[in-house]
Parts: sequence; C-alpha cells; structure tokens
Amino acid sequence: GDSVTQMEGPVTLSEEAFLTINCTYTATGYPSLFWYVQYPGEGLQLLLKATKADDKGSNKGFEATYRKETTSFHLEKGSVQVSDSAVYFCALSPWGSNYKLTFGKGTLLTVNP
Amino acid sequence: DAGVIQSPRHEVTEMGQEVTLRCKPISGHDYLFWYRQTMMRGLELLIYFNNNVPIDDSGMPEDRFSAKMPNASFSTLKIQPSEPRDSAVYFCASSLGSLAAFFGQGTRLTVV
Repeated sequence: GDSVTQMEGPVTLSEEAFLTINCTYTATGYPSLFWYVQYPGEGLQLLLKATKADDKGSNKGFEATYRKETTSFHLEKGSVQVSDSAVYFCALSPWGSNYKLTFGKGTLLTVNP
Repeated sequence: DAGVIQSPRHEVTEMGQEVTLRCKPISGHDYLFWYRQTMMRGLELLIYFNNNVPIDDSGMPEDRFSAKMPNASFSTLKIQPSEPRDSAVYFCASSLGSLAAFFGQGTRLTVV
C-alpha cells in the first residue's frame, strides 16, 4: 500500500539556519504530495502541495519539489524563525483520489533564538 | 468561517464507558474525515464521508467504533465500550472536493 517516510526528529536549529526535512514516498501512479504543519495544541494546517512531477509547492518561505525519479518531496526553508517551531507532516493522496491522505510520522522542529 | 469545530477538546473517561466525539465541518464542504493520532501509529484515517454518506470505513479499528453524519453540518464518532488503547487525539477534517482538507483542533481522549 501507499506509505510516506519522513526523517526522524526532533530537529533543533538556531534562528536563521537552513532547514531540510526529508520525505520519500511509495505509491502507485502519480499521487499528490503535501506538507502539513501542526502548531502546539492546534490541528493540522496545509503548508504547501504539489500535484504532478517537477511541481514546486511554496508558502511562507517553505518550498518542496515533487521528484518522481527519487520519489521524494523534501521540505526546505532558507532561514527559519522561532515561530516555525512545530511538527511537520509529509502526506500523499492517491492518484485520482485527492481525498484519502496517508501521513508520515511527523518531524518535530524546534527553533531557538 | 470559524473553521472545523470539534467538541469536547478534552475527554477523560473510564474503561467501558461510551464516548461520543462531535464535529462541525466548514459550511459548504462536501467531504468529512475522521483521523486518529497516536505516538505509535501517527495519523490514521478512520473513515470519510462524501455528502453525508460513508465512503470508506476501512480504517475503523473495531466494531466498537462507529461514525455517523446525519446532516451536512454535523458528524459524530462513537466508541462503545471504550478501552485504554483508544486513548489518542481524534481529528475531524473537511474539504471541498479534491481541495485541501482543513482540520479541527482535535479531541484528546484519555481512557483510564
């Protein structure tokens, strides 16, 4: 079945550092890929998405590129802020069905001032 | 819009008791999802509805779990009888077609 693998956390960075959170997936066909963010005590919020190969999703300084050849969707940000501290989830939905999300385990990011 | 509203935010109950979690989706959304989040298993889709009709309940762990959506603005997830291993955060989410799902703040359930 479909699955998503994220790098293990937690990740701790200093403010203005570069962030990469790795995500790889296993799925048939051409799934849509997502990054969600969960702030403490809150529900998940969509951060960005990409629906086809080579698409780049971006939002709030975060970026991720859909790489079909490596089945990856790594999240990057050039300069993190304390307010970026949260849990980040990579997810996919099957081709032809953007309804059922399969999530990775999540990566806790802590940014220190 | 107020977003997806879940109640209660926290629930503590004794093993064997019935628990009902509630969700009000975003007005106009036609899909509703129930997820469970645990440290061990992460986020799991339990069931989802389209236009109030259950489409896929393959993620519902056991017959002790049931979900209903009597109208477009309300859904419940019921556990009867509850067990300690049901302790988790339960999220409701809604979406309009294939657009991104919006999540509620979740209900933290503790079964003692």
